[in-house]
Amino acid sequence: QLQLQESGPGLVKPSETLSLTCTVSGGSISFTSYYWGWIRHPPGKELEWIGGFKYGGSPYYHPSLKSRVTISLDTSKNQFSLRLSSVTAADTAAYYCARAPNKSGWFPFDYWGQGTLVTVSS
Amino acid sequence: ETTLTQSPAFMSATPGDKVNISCKASQDIDDDMNWYQQKPGEAAISIIQETTSLVPGIPPRFSGSGYGTDFTLTINNIESEDAAYYFCLQYDNFPPTFGGGTKVEIK
Repeated sequence: QLQLQESGPGLVKPSETLSLTCTVSGGSISFTSYYWGWIRHPPGKELEWIGGFKYGGSPYYHPSLKSRVTISLDTSKNQFSLRLSSVTAADTAAYYCARAPNKSGWFPFDYWGQGTLVTVSS
Repeated sequence: ETTLTQSPAFMSATPGDKVNISCKASQDIDDDMNWYQQKPGEAAISIIQETTSLVPGIPPRFSGSGYGTDFTLTINNIESEDAAYYFCLQYDNFPPTFGGGTKVEIK
């Protein structure tokens, strides 16, 4: 059974960089049959797709976050990571990693992690 | 960007009720819509894929319908275990976008 688990600091100071890791078990991120991505859910707002990638391909980023986001992968650990720079209070959210089958369309996620809450505050 | 307007934001249902949750897209998304269920502290699970396909293992009281811009998640004979947060996702247009979510309470 595929499992995804997010990890990282729960508190980040304004202007600093948010860094999270998603550890995948029960499946390899090297399979080209799947995309892997990050989503966030700010309190009181709708979920927002942040970005994602397919192994061997270039990452895709949300246009509004593109200048601040980097998604990378570590196949030796079966992990992928999110870095979001210059954070503000507006980046406070629950952050999720998820998998999407590689079929038509953009990231039709089928498996999600439980999420991790990140608060931006001094 | 495709906006998904999901309604209602909250609903309270009695066991046995039929519940409809709507997602309206700001532009045509064919049938590229998924529905998810999330309970507090748990990972979201996929319940409907590609508008109408029930994910294996999901009870058949869940169903999805629609095409183009109007979509509906229906829960027939709702049960207490269906109390959760439900949300839709369109993946036809870039970037993928989500509905605002519906919190379903069971009386």
